[in-house]
Amino acid sequence: RKEVEQDPGPFNVPEGATVAFNCTYSNSASQSFFWYRQDCRKEPKLLMSVYSSGNEDGRFTAQLNRASQYISLLIRDSKLSDSATYLCVVNSGTGFQKLVFGTGTRLLVSP
Amino acid sequence: NAGVTQTPKFQVLKTGQSMTLQCAQDMNHEYMSWYRQDPGMGLRLIHYSVGAGITDQGEVPNGYNVSRSTTEDFPLRLLSAAPSQTSVYFCASRRQENYGYTFGSGTRLTVV
Repeated sequence: RKEVEQDPGPFNVPEGATVAFNCTYSNSASQSFFWYRQDCRKEPKLLMSVYSSGNEDGRFTAQLNRASQYISLLIRDSKLSDSATYLCVVNSGTGFQKLVFGTGTRLLVSP
Repeated sequence: NAGVTQTPKFQVLKTGQSMTLQCAQDMNHEYMSWYRQDPGMGLRLIHYSVGAGITDQGEVPNGYNVSRSTTEDFPLRLLSAAPSQTSVYFCASRRQENYGYTFGSGTRLTVV
């Protein structure tokens, strides 16, 4: 089983739609969680950290469910510019807190 | 601030050649890492460093060496390039363990 698993998609949504991605992780000792965004042929960029109580940044909402070991990302009022691959990132939870990246979920927002 | 700077952006090597990928950050971050990204595989950790003079192996270290003589620089050396090392390489840094990484723009390496 992979440490971090994501649905690869693609998720095809129209502008203005709400879309949600889930990501599951296997290490119950993990403490830090992030969502990154990666545009085609570009470097990953930090979108937001995920906190235990959930957090929101504009149109983006991140949730953490420790009991079920998954995190989610909700995007409201999708824009064309949201088209990208979204990477779920979890720290390893042991020793050096290396970050483990999911393979990403691709989002395509159409007019 | 420039953030994380990687050079070169593109490189073609012949099998058996060696080269060094450069990485520098100006944010005074202690933690630095090298990842490679291959289609369908996600980013995989090659080597990492928790401070000047301290390095360790990640999950795919074979064929690569690193050193960290200063806080700012973290070069990655390919000892004898192989076609399996064709990939996109990202250097990243972060302030502390609970922070996310800032990535460089990547080096696209092709080994023929």
